[in-house]
Amino acid sequence: DIQMTQSPASLSASLGETVSIECLASEGISNSLAWYQQKPGKSPQLLIYGASSLQDGVPSRFSGSGSGTQYSLKISGMQPEDEGVYYCQQGYKYPTFGSGTKLEIK
Amino acid sequence: EVQLVESGGGLVQPGSSLKLSCVASGFTFSSYNMHWIRQAPKKGLEWIALIYYDSSNKYYADSVKGRFTISRDNSKNTLYLEMNSLRSEDTAMYYCAKSAYRGYADYFDYWGQGVMVTVSS
Repeated sequence: DIQMTQSPASLSASLGETVSIECLASEGISNSLAWYQQKPGKSPQLLIYGASSLQDGVPSRFSGSGSGTQYSLKISGMQPEDEGVYYCQQGYKYPTFGSGTKLEIK
Repeated sequence: EVQLVESGGGLVQPGSSLKLSCVASGFTFSSYNMHWIRQAPKKGLEWIALIYYDSSNKYYADSVKGRFTISRDNSKNTLYLEMNSLRSEDTAMYYCAKSAYRGYADYFDYWGQGVMVTVSS
């Protein structure tokens, strides 16, 4: 299985601040990487797929980048509604997820 | 509007069986692969099973292989997960999810609200 190592485990940011979350794959995944946001008591929502493509309806302050084994999610200008847990997921082989990053407002 | 509605969860004893259902609407169910994903309490996400749109192929995570069976009935727009020999470590919220296969990679673009399965004596 491909292991996904996500960091940091938790993060607090001020409103308007730019934040980044990292994901490292145990082997190359050819940009087959998605990011999801999960709010308390809700199911995850797809934000980014193919490492950098924005899912329909997702605000443009979310962006993804990376290649090979290293990927990142950036939120440009933290908003209150961005609080939640963020997961990366590789779709290159049988799907596996990162351990999650809890993002809170400072 | 795409909707996925799971049902069939509950409290069961170790070693017992349970069958989950997921009714889909708002898209052509018979054209899409479908998945089951679970999340143990306060834990992360774990993919557990995939079924192709025509049931021609099924894949499982090692943690459930041989105990869980994924199936579907395209005439009823319904996805199933039959779970046997349940263990305490199977306690989780179970989500069905629609496949978003893009560029030779599989993602999950719609999720159900989840159904809780608790395995405890």
